[in-house]
Amino acid sequence: AQKITQTQPGMFVQEKEAVTLDCTYDTSDPSYGLFWYKQPSSGEMIFLIYQGSYDQQNATEGRYSLNFQKARKSANLVISASQLGDSAMYFCAMRDCPTDSWGKLQFGAGTQVVVTP
Amino acid sequence: EPEVTQTPSHQVTQMGQEVILRCVPISNHLYFYWYRQILGQKVEFLVSFYNNEISEKSEIFDDQFSVERPDGSNFTLKIRSTKLEDSAMYFCASTLRRYGYTFGSGTRLTVV
Repeated sequence: AQKITQTQPGMFVQEKEAVTLDCTYDTSDPSYGLFWYKQPSSGEMIFLIYQGSYDQQNATEGRYSLNFQKARKSANLVISASQLGDSAMYFCAMRDCPTDSWGKLQFGAGTQVVVTP
Repeated sequence: EPEVTQTPSHQVTQMGQEVILRCVPISNHLYFYWYRQILGQKVEFLVSFYNNEISEKSEIFDDQFSVERPDGSNFTLKIRSTKLEDSAMYFCASTLRRYGYTFGSGTRLTVV
C-alpha cells in the first residue's frame, strides 16, 4: 500500500519566491520519522531536513522548513527565497519502524521543481 | 564532510552477466543500505545490513542479489545474472544517528 504520497509531479517557481511541496503519509505507528531529500539532475540524493513524530516544533534548516501537521498526516516542505540551484527532484520519505531507529526509508514519487529567473 | 563513496559511477553489462557494485560507507556508521531507482520512478528499498548480516530485505531482493561487507570498509551489492529490468540507479546509504542517512552518489547500471 502506498505510504507516502506526493501529489505534485512538477512545479514551476520564480526565483526568490517561496514554494511548498506537499507530502502526506500513512502509518499506524506512533513513532516515525519524516525526511526530505533533493535529487539534482546529476543524480545524487541530498538530505535536506528531518522531522520526528514526537518533535514539538517544526523542523527548519536554513531556507528549508517543514510544515508538520500530525493530525492531517502531512509533512510539507517549504523552500523560501528559491534559487536557480534549487531546481531538482524532491522526495519525501518516511521511516515508520518504532522499534528500530535505523529502519528503511520509504519514498514518495517525487516532485520536480523548476526555478525560473 | 564525510561521504559515502560508490564505484563505478556507471556500469554497462550484458544480460546474464554478474555485476558487483561497490560502496564505502562513512567509517563510523553501523547500518548500511542499498536502494535502487529505475529511471523516472521512485527510490525503492532493497536491503539493510547491520552487524554483518541482513536485517531486512524487500521483495525485489531475490536470490539473484547478495550483499557483503568483505572488510571493515567496503559494502558490496552483487547481482548474479543481470536482467534488462535491473537497469537502474543503485544507491548505497549508511547511518549512525537516527536521522542521519547519508546516500552515495549512485551507480547507474545499464543492462544491454
